[in-house]
Amino acid sequence: GIQVEQSPPDLILQEGANSTLRCNFSDSVNNLQWFHQNPWGQLINLFYIPSGTKQNGRLSATTVATERYSLLYISSSQTTDSGVYFCAVEILTGGGNKLTFGTGTQLKVEL
Amino acid sequence: EPEVTQTPSHQVTQMGQEVILRCVPISNHLYFYWYRQILGQKVEFLVSFYNNEISEKSEIFDDQFSVERPDGSNFTLKIRSTKLEDSAMYFCASCFLNTEAFFGQGTRLTVV
Repeated sequence: GIQVEQSPPDLILQEGANSTLRCNFSDSVNNLQWFHQNPWGQLINLFYIPSGTKQNGRLSATTVATERYSLLYISSSQTTDSGVYFCAVEILTGGGNKLTFGTGTQLKVEL
Repeated sequence: EPEVTQTPSHQVTQMGQEVILRCVPISNHLYFYWYRQILGQKVEFLVSFYNNEISEKSEIFDDQFSVERPDGSNFTLKIRSTKLEDSAMYFCASCFLNTEAFFGQGTRLTVV
């Protein structure tokens, strides 16, 4: 099956710093999503981005489908950005477009 | 804004007992899913459901698991005889058609 690797696995930032999280995938994908898992375990949708670039406030994401990677940019980080960031990819199958999640990046933002 | 809702948020059960996890997907969505996340690990696909039948399932989804859409709104996951290793966060998700998937807040299942 498709492999989804994220880097770095762990990241500690000072509040106000910027960061880039990376997601590499091993095959062509139909869809890519970024999620933030907050300390309560909820998966919050950040971006639905099969290709191109999108921005939402301090966050932006870019997917280069032909080169099989996606980047999530966090600018001016805040303590509330802490948590685990997952990318998830979808490939077309005969079934139901399941998402395959990456290994995650654990982010901690300190004062 | 429409959202996927799951109940209960936390369930503790004894090994060997049956549990039913409940989900209400977004109303106009057509595909429904269950995923699980063992503590500290990544989120894993269990099963997808479309047009009132299972469309795909993973190796994890063995005979102890079943899903049902008993009416027009609920989507349930049943574990017949829970094992310690079934302890995990279970997420329900839904999407319309080849579009963004939305996840519920999860049910944390603890088997003791």
